[in-house]
Amino acid sequence: EPEVTQTPSHQVTQMGQEVILRCVPISNHLYFYWYRQILGQKVEFLVSFYNNEISEKSEIFDDQFSVERPDGSNFTLKIRSTKLEDSAMYFCASSFRETQYFGPGTRLLVL
Amino acid sequence: DAKTTQPTSMDCAEGRAANLPCNHSTISGNEYVYWYRQIHSQGPQYIIHGLKNNETNEMASLIITEDRKSSTLILPHATLRDTAVYYCIAWKTSYDKVIFGPGTSLSVIP
Repeated sequence: EPEVTQTPSHQVTQMGQEVILRCVPISNHLYFYWYRQILGQKVEFLVSFYNNEISEKSEIFDDQFSVERPDGSNFTLKIRSTKLEDSAMYFCASSFRETQYFGPGTRLLVL
Repeated sequence: DAKTTQPTSMDCAEGRAANLPCNHSTISGNEYVYWYRQIHSQGPQYIIHGLKNNETNEMASLIITEDRKSSTLILPHATLRDTAVYYCIAWKTSYDKVIFGPGTSLSVIP
């Protein structure tokens, strides 16, 4: 069964550094999403992406964040200058129609 | 999207059916009831969804009341691997974001 994959599974970075989280959505899917989950808290929506542009973004998704679909298979989330509070699990999701399928996540730790 | 209400936690004996309730009294006619689960800190896993009719797949059954104000997710033979947080979401599915609530923490006990 097709799955959403994410790399790396774990990322440790220093505050102020840039990180890029990578996702490979399910191949025929058209809609792409990023969510995050701070330890012990709810899963929160960050951004949705369709037809090579952002469809919707949350208040969390400020100018430090960007997304890109650089080729036909990858979907990336970039954090330009990481802060301590960016430490979280980041989940990518994709959908063809309604149902979103989530990847296993990247655990980001900012020191 | 309509608000959903779920119990904070539930226990279920291994091998027995787990029945997870959800109230969604303000659900509108075009909102589906979706269920996801999250095992430990893994990515949310889609389980099942429905609009009006009861639904069944290889993972679970979804029973929606006739007035659509509540539903029950049934795991017919719970195993230890079903221990997870289960999220009930009322959702228009117009490619919008999924809004996760606190969910129900299900513990399957040996």
